[in-house]
Amino acid sequence: QKEVEQNSGPLSVPEGAIASLNCTYSDRGSQSFFWYRQYSGKSPELIMFIYSNGDKEDGRFTAQLNKASQYVSLLIRDSQPSDSATYLCAVNNNDMRFGAGTRLTVKP
Amino acid sequence: GAVVSQHPSRVICKSGTSVKIECRSLDFQATTMFWYRQFPKKSLMLMATSNEGSKATYEQGVEKDKFLINHASLTLSTLTVTSAHPEDSSFYICSAVDGGTGNQPQHFGDGTRLSIL
Repeated sequence: QKEVEQNSGPLSVPEGAIASLNCTYSDRGSQSFFWYRQYSGKSPELIMFIYSNGDKEDGRFTAQLNKASQYVSLLIRDSQPSDSATYLCAVNNNDMRFGAGTRLTVKP
Repeated sequence: GAVVSQHPSRVICKSGTSVKIECRSLDFQATTMFWYRQFPKKSLMLMATSNEGSKATYEQGVEKDKFLINHASLTLSTLTVTSAHPEDSSFYICSAVDGGTGNQPQHFGDGTRLSIL
């Protein structure tokens, strides 16, 4: 079982819709959770982090964490074509592990 | 804040050449930096964890004599690909953590695209 699992996609949503990206992790002791966006040919950039159960909102992005279910998600509201990228989930317990990423395509 | 600079952004060189890549934390001190490798459309692969003032910790399967890492200061780590061959062609990315590992995010450099002819 992989430590951090993501659906590889591609996930395709129409412009203006909500994109929902999911991530599960195996280390129950994980303490911090991150979402990175990676455009093709570029390096990852941090877009959200969450430490506590519940929701955390930042602009069009909402991160959701459920430690009991070992599940973290990222919602992107009002999706734009510029949101088309690969989204990496990362989980940290003194040792950060990355998922393989979900490729999102937002169609105009 | 938390800016990581990586240089050079692109290298094209002949087989057998050694290539040095620099990773600098510009506005914070990074006791720990990380080196990743990524092939097209594939996930990040952690190569090694670079600790300031001590030897790097390499992931299983990564040749430490091939990929030399030096972390001589709190703001600079270097990766040297020695005697590079075409199979070493890849996208190399460094990252750094502000203030040690803990719960802090990793901040990535822009990456170095290495092409060995």
